[in-house]
Amino acid sequence: DIQLTQSPSFLSASVGDRVTITCRASQDINYYLAWHQQKPGEAPKLLIFATSTLQSGVPSRFSGSRSGTEFTLTISSLQPEDFATYYCQQLHSYPRTFGQGTKVEIK
Amino acid sequence: QVHLVESGGGVVQPGRSLRLSCSASGFTFNRYAMHWVRQAPGQGLEWVAFISSDGRLTYYADSVKGRFSISRDNSKNTLFLRMNSLRAEDTSMFYCAREVELWPHYYFDYWGQGTLVTVSS
Repeated sequence: DIQLTQSPSFLSASVGDRVTITCRASQDINYYLAWHQQKPGEAPKLLIFATSTLQSGVPSRFSGSRSGTEFTLTISSLQPEDFATYYCQQLHSYPRTFGQGTKVEIK
Repeated sequence: QVHLVESGGGVVQPGRSLRLSCSASGFTFNRYAMHWVRQAPGQGLEWVAFISSDGRLTYYADSVKGRFSISRDNSKNTLFLRMNSLRAEDTSMFYCAREVELWPHYYFDYWGQGTLVTVSS
């Protein structure tokens, strides 16, 4: 099975900060990686698929990139509504594994 | 618009069974593969099971293989998860999710709001 390791598990940031979350895959998954955002009491919401393609309606301050087996989610200027937990997910093979999550909290 | 509505959760004793449903609307259900994903209280997301658009192909997480069974009724736009031999560690919010299979892209684009399963004596 492909393992996804996110870092950090928790980060504290202020509105306006640039935030970067990393997801490392245990083997090559090409560009088959998505990012989901989940707020407390809500279902996950797709932000990015295929490493860097923004889902319709997602603000352009979100972006994704890849270097080998390391993937990055960047929020260019953190907004109050962005405080949430973020999960990466690989869609290269089954099982469709998720990273353990990164919780972004207000500093 | 796309709607996925889960139901069937509740409190069940260890060793018993439960069947979850996911009612789909707003899209052509029989054109999409579907998944179940669960989340234990305070924990992360765990993928559970997959079923192809025509129902012929299924995959399961090792943690549920042999105990859970995913199925669908395309005539009723409904996805199911039959859960047998339930354990305390199965206590979770269960979400259904739609997968887009638009080669070369694959992604979960819509999620239901979830149904809570609590396994407790």
